[in-house]
Amino acid sequence: DAGVIQSPRHEVTEMGQEVTLRCKPISGHDYLFWYRQTMMRGLELLIYFNNNVPIDDSGMPEDRFSAKMPNASFSTLKIQPSEPRDSAVYFCASSWRRARGSGANVLTFGAGSRLTVL
Amino acid sequence: DQQVKQNSPSLSVQEGRISILNCDYTNSMFDYFLWYKKYPAEGPTFLISISSIKDKNEDGRFTVFLNKSAKHLSLHIVPSQPGDSAVYFCAVYSGNTGKLIFGQGTTLQVKP
Repeated sequence: DAGVIQSPRHEVTEMGQEVTLRCKPISGHDYLFWYRQTMMRGLELLIYFNNNVPIDDSGMPEDRFSAKMPNASFSTLKIQPSEPRDSAVYFCASSWRRARGSGANVLTFGAGSRLTVL
Repeated sequence: DQQVKQNSPSLSVQEGRISILNCDYTNSMFDYFLWYKKYPAEGPTFLISISSIKDKNEDGRFTVFLNKSAKHLSLHIVPSQPGDSAVYFCAVYSGNTGKLIFGQGTTLQVKP
């Protein structure tokens, strides 16, 4: 398996532009997570899906952020309009859910998308 | 309202010595506690975990200790090697939700 695949790896855009980040999870995984890494907050959970359904989006900073998972093999994170404070590395991760008591979900992360908003 | 805190942004140790990374959490209801390691330009990778019903788990040079009364987690690396230089994230896991919440990360530098 190629692992979790994210694109683009690097994105430089100007304030006000729309940004779309893409993720292909590992086949067979039923959980998909979007995280953002910043110096201040570390790895911050934005939203996660189970079986393509958004479960918790309480980490999404504001309405400018949206995420979709139209099928089991693809997800997008969109920022519209983008702002300089959105500059960060965005990670997608996937996992399969273990039965309660049999261990923690072990997430497999993609390599990340580094976003710079000028 | 950060549920997981790593209060030391960085740590530097000499090769061969012990590295101790620390993590504090606020909620007693988490089921598992995990450590992830991250190299530059890569995604984090799973390192080791511990169940909430245990107080120690060992895997080679890596040992995780859990002190539930203090809500404190630590990772010991013995002996430390230059290849261990990376950012280490602790994370807490809730079996109810299936999600992982991470701390801010600690950058470990192991000097040859």
